[in-house]
Amino acid sequence: NAGVTQTPKFRVLKTGQSMTLLCAQDMNHEYMYWYRQDPGMGLRLIHYSVGEGTTAKGEVPDGYNVSRLKKQNFLLGLESAAPSQTSVYFCASIQAGNTGELFFGEGSRLTVL
Amino acid sequence: ILNVEQSPQSLHVQEGDSTNFTCSFPSSNFYALHWYRWETAKSPEALFVMTLNGDEKKKGRISATLNTKEGYSYLYIKGSQPEDSATYLCALGSGNTGKLIFGQGTTLQVKP
Repeated sequence: NAGVTQTPKFRVLKTGQSMTLLCAQDMNHEYMYWYRQDPGMGLRLIHYSVGEGTTAKGEVPDGYNVSRLKKQNFLLGLESAAPSQTSVYFCASIQAGNTGELFFGEGSRLTVL
Repeated sequence: ILNVEQSPQSLHVQEGDSTNFTCSFPSSNFYALHWYRWETAKSPEALFVMTLNGDEKKKGRISATLNTKEGYSYLYIKGSQPEDSATYLCALGSGNTGKLIFGQGTTLQVKP
C-alpha cells in the first residue's frame, strides 16, 4: 500500500528551467494538495484539486501550474524556475470534505540555482 | 482569506512537564480542524481531526479540544517525553472550497 508517492525526491535546477513534480495516490481520494515548506513559514498551499479535471489556487500560486487529468495523479509544474522557488514541496490527499486525515507524500526538495 | 494562527511559535520544556499549544482560526465557514505531528525529515502525521464544537479527542498523553464558536483549539501533552519533540501543526478545513490551510506550527523541544 504505497499511499502518497512523490517524484522526484530531489532536484537541482538552474534559473529559467522547467520541471514537473508528480504526485500519485492509491487511496481513491478526491482532494489533493500541493504545499511548499520554507523555514519559519510552515506549510503554504500552492494549488489544490477537489476532483479529476478541477484545480484551484491556494495561498501562493504564482509561478506554478497544476493539472489533475487522472484522479490518482496531481502534477505541479514550474515553467520557469526562480531561486525563490527553492523549497521542500509536499503533496497530500484526503477524502472529500476535509473530515478525514490528510495523507502526505515524503516531500520533494527542489533547489533552484 | 483563511488565517490560521498558532502560538507559541516554539517551546522548550523539561521531560515530565505538561504543555499546551493554541490554534486560532476564523469561526465562520468552519468545517474541520486538524492536528498533525511533524518530525524533522519526515512527513506530517495526523493526530486528530475534529468537526464538532466542544469536541475532545485523546491519543495516549496527547489530547485536543475544539471551540468553533470562538475559533480556537488547544492541544495538550501530559508528561512530555523527549520523543514528543516535533513541530505540531493545525489546519483548518473549509468545506465550501476544499481548502485546507495550515498554521505556522509550534515547535516543541523536550529536554531529558
